[in-house]
Amino acid sequence: KAGVTQTPRYLIKTRGQQVTLSCSPISGHRSVSWYQQTPGQGLQFLFEYFSETQRNKGNFPGRFSGRQFSNSRSEMNVSTLELGDSALYLCASRLRPQETQYFGPGTRLLVL
Amino acid sequence: AQKVTQAQTEISVVEKEDVTLDCVYETRDTTYYLFWYKQPPSGELVFLIRRNSFDEQNEISGRYSWNFQKSTSSFNFTITASQVVDSAVYFCALSGGSGATNKLIFGTGTLLAVQP
Repeated sequence: KAGVTQTPRYLIKTRGQQVTLSCSPISGHRSVSWYQQTPGQGLQFLFEYFSETQRNKGNFPGRFSGRQFSNSRSEMNVSTLELGDSALYLCASRLRPQETQYFGPGTRLLVL
Repeated sequence: AQKVTQAQTEISVVEKEDVTLDCVYETRDTTYYLFWYKQPPSGELVFLIRRNSFDEQNEISGRYSWNFQKSTSSFNFTITASQVVDSAVYFCALSGGSGATNKLIFGTGTLLAVQP
């Protein structure tokens, strides 16, 4: 079975721009979660989607949003980028909530 | 509140040495799950093990073993006869049983460097 895939793998943006990251879960998995990893804050939960509904959200500003499509693929969007948004964004999928999460390779975002 | 503490920031060992990575957790949930993930330089988090709060049985998988003790809220990870390929950052994580706590709370990670 193919693992979690994320596109793009690397991204460079400038302050004020917006960005959309994509995640395709493992086949059959209906839950997708997003995490941000920075040297200062470590790994932090952004949000989780299950069957196209957001079921949990972390403590991030409204500039961070996401959605899930009927095929379970998910996108996250960050508007009005700030320098502090530079991070590795990791997507994880699982069959359903409370199951083990499996991670993708991540998208490295650099905001200049 | 849920919290995971990995007090060891960096550990350096020589190949074939045994090494133990410590993990201490805090939670008010009666049902919870503990995990270990490995993050090599490529960045992807690789799942290693999951433990349920009601199952304190220790586990061994090849050179890896895990010791779960509810009495001390610890879930330690031992690598026996370490190899250079074990070099990575290792994260311990906690997930609650339901609702808002059912997300991964990570520790700060332990960087393991295995020298040849």
